[in-house]
Amino acid sequence: QQQVKQSPQSLIVQKGGISIINCAYENTAFDYFPWYQQFPGKGPALLIAIRPDVSEKKEGRFTISFNKSAKQFSLHIMDSQPGDSATYFCAASAGNQFYFGTGTSLTVIP
Amino acid sequence: KAGVTQTPRYLIKTRGQQVTLSCSPISGHRSVSWYQQTPGQGLQFLFEYFSETQRNKGNFPGRFSGRQFSNSRSEMNVSTLELGDSALYLCASSLSSSGGNEQFFGPGTRLTVL
Repeated sequence: QQQVKQSPQSLIVQKGGISIINCAYENTAFDYFPWYQQFPGKGPALLIAIRPDVSEKKEGRFTISFNKSAKQFSLHIMDSQPGDSATYFCAASAGNQFYFGTGTSLTVIP
Repeated sequence: KAGVTQTPRYLIKTRGQQVTLSCSPISGHRSVSWYQQTPGQGLQFLFEYFSETQRNKGNFPGRFSGRQFSNSRSEMNVSTLELGDSALYLCASSLSSSGGNEQFFGPGTRLTVL
């Protein structure tokens, strides 16, 4: 059973546009929600993370929106750039056990 | 500070063989987690070690095992390989085993089972 559900599976956005990736979870024990970015041939790298006591966190062009009651969180990439083309994973953890979404392949067209 | 290193980077084995993968965490990190990454399933948690003890285990058969040494380096072993074991195996390290710590991933070992 997939603990964290991620959509869409793939996303194509024009340069300068907004990329939005959504995730949903069921386990209310999760207390840490990171997003990872992965380029081909590399391991995932932490992009931004949020805890359930805040509803939004922004770092540069990347924003996490968190809806605790709906058990959903999303990643917004503003002013998307071709260099943002990568696979993005959401995750949720309770303790040090992490559960990952199935990933979203983002392509930003110049 | 050096990142997480994994060896080997690529491996080709045949069905029925066994394989051992190695992971060296970031210096000072005591928690090491292993994941299997496949195109259809994403990242699936295998197990986590802290101070040489397995603290968490994912839903994988007993053919998958691991250990951690006193210097925090970790190995995972897969016995009696099956075609479905072909995947990218990722190791991640973090400072401690308490929650909410950033995990740093290595580049992975690409295992192909023929």
